[in-house]
Amino acid sequence: DVKVTQSSRYLVKRTGEKVFLECVQDMDHENMFWYRQDPGLGLRLIYFSYDVKMKEKGDIPEGYSVSREKKERFSLILESASTNQTSMYLCASTWGGGGEKLFFGSGTQLSVL
Amino acid sequence: TQLLEQSPQFLSIQEGENLTVYCNSSSVFSSLQWYRQEPGEGPVLLVTVVTGGEVKKLKRLTFQFGDARKDSSLHITAAQPGDTGLYLCAIRGGSGTYKYIFGTGTRLKVLA
Repeated sequence: DVKVTQSSRYLVKRTGEKVFLECVQDMDHENMFWYRQDPGLGLRLIYFSYDVKMKEKGDIPEGYSVSREKKERFSLILESASTNQTSMYLCASTWGGGGEKLFFGSGTQLSVL
Repeated sequence: TQLLEQSPQFLSIQEGENLTVYCNSSSVFSSLQWYRQEPGEGPVLLVTVVTGGEVKKLKRLTFQFGDARKDSSLHITAAQPGDTGLYLCAIRGGSGTYKYIFGTGTRLKVLA
């Protein structure tokens, strides 16, 4: 079974801190995604990557950056965390060439105080 | 404006009851997916529907894609506490893209 692992289940940070959220998948998937999930708003795409060192902005990229130096790892970076970035962050991956099924990690609940 | 509208937003029912949740849009889709997210976990794909009018069954869950491919429904027969979770519909953002768009979800609670 595909495994998508997010490094932290819960994270508490202070305003202004630099925050790294890590995601690793073990199925050689080309495509990886970062979503945030907020009550009443569903899942909103922050960034996605279709290959190593390649990235595209999603719907809400402001305040975030990403890094994909290796195929299996996709990192989400909050350069200067703010309270409005308190949210559940979900990483997902899928294979290229028309892969239809997204595989999700268990999520990281980030609280910015 | 939300591309995918789901209703109801919340649903609390007793074990054994039947229910239907809906996913609607004004746009036509080539395919649509349903995911279930259990508390503390990420969403897991339940089904993909592709053809207008298509009906797929997964045990007590019945999924239907509208004839015009603009809407979909999920019907659960004899709900059980294990069905509790957030049900999300999703579509691909367009041909040639791997961007997935999700609805706002229906949060279901089944009471024993």
